[in-house]
Amino acid sequence: QVQLVESGGDLVKPGGSLRLSCAVSGFSFSDSYMSWIRQAPGKGLEWVSYISNSGNTVFYADSVKGRFTTSRDNAKKLLYLQMNNLRAEDSAVYYCARDPTFHSHWGQGTLVTVSS
Amino acid sequence: DIQMTQSPSTLSASVGDRVTFTCRASQSIGASLAWYQQKPGRAPKLLIYLASTLEDGVPSRFSGSGSGTEFTLTISSLQPDDFATYYCQQYNTFSTFGQGTKLEIK
Repeated sequence: QVQLVESGGDLVKPGGSLRLSCAVSGFSFSDSYMSWIRQAPGKGLEWVSYISNSGNTVFYADSVKGRFTTSRDNAKKLLYLQMNNLRAEDSAVYYCARDPTFHSHWGQGTLVTVSS
Repeated sequence: DIQMTQSPSTLSASVGDRVTFTCRASQSIGASLAWYQQKPGRAPKLLIYLASTLEDGVPSRFSGSGSGTEFTLTISSLQPDDFATYYCQQYNTFSTFGQGTKLEIK
């Protein structure tokens, strides 16, 4: 069955960096666009980024543009989110999801906390 | 950017009730709208896409309608498992989620 498993969440200081990973199985990763979506504690959902199946096209929300980088390794079936210059407002559960439009498959999420 | 506004923020209802959630887009998005259900500590679950298409495995008591800027999600007869938070999402231009409607037990 389809599985997405995020990892890499941690407590990091403001200005710090973190890389999240999403390991997938059960579908053709190399044919799939992928997305990152986040949810701050007690808040709603916010789209972060999506990447084309080849990795050649990536889009970002304005709130993370210039600080976050989405990439992928199709051979390893891994999706990445490199987060630099982290701010308190980046604290959230980060989900990876299949497809750039609506999402029928989500991971369980990984928690990022930005605090001194 | 397209803004999505959901109403109400909280809805109190009883098992067996018919409930309707509303989602408005700041500009026309055609039928590029999805609805999700989320329970505490869990990832969102897709209920409806293309405004009115039921995702596989979702009970038929859920239905969606609308196009352009006004959309609704209806649950025809509330079941105990339905108490959760519901989000709409536009995917016409990138992606934007509404702020959510929390469905509580009356």
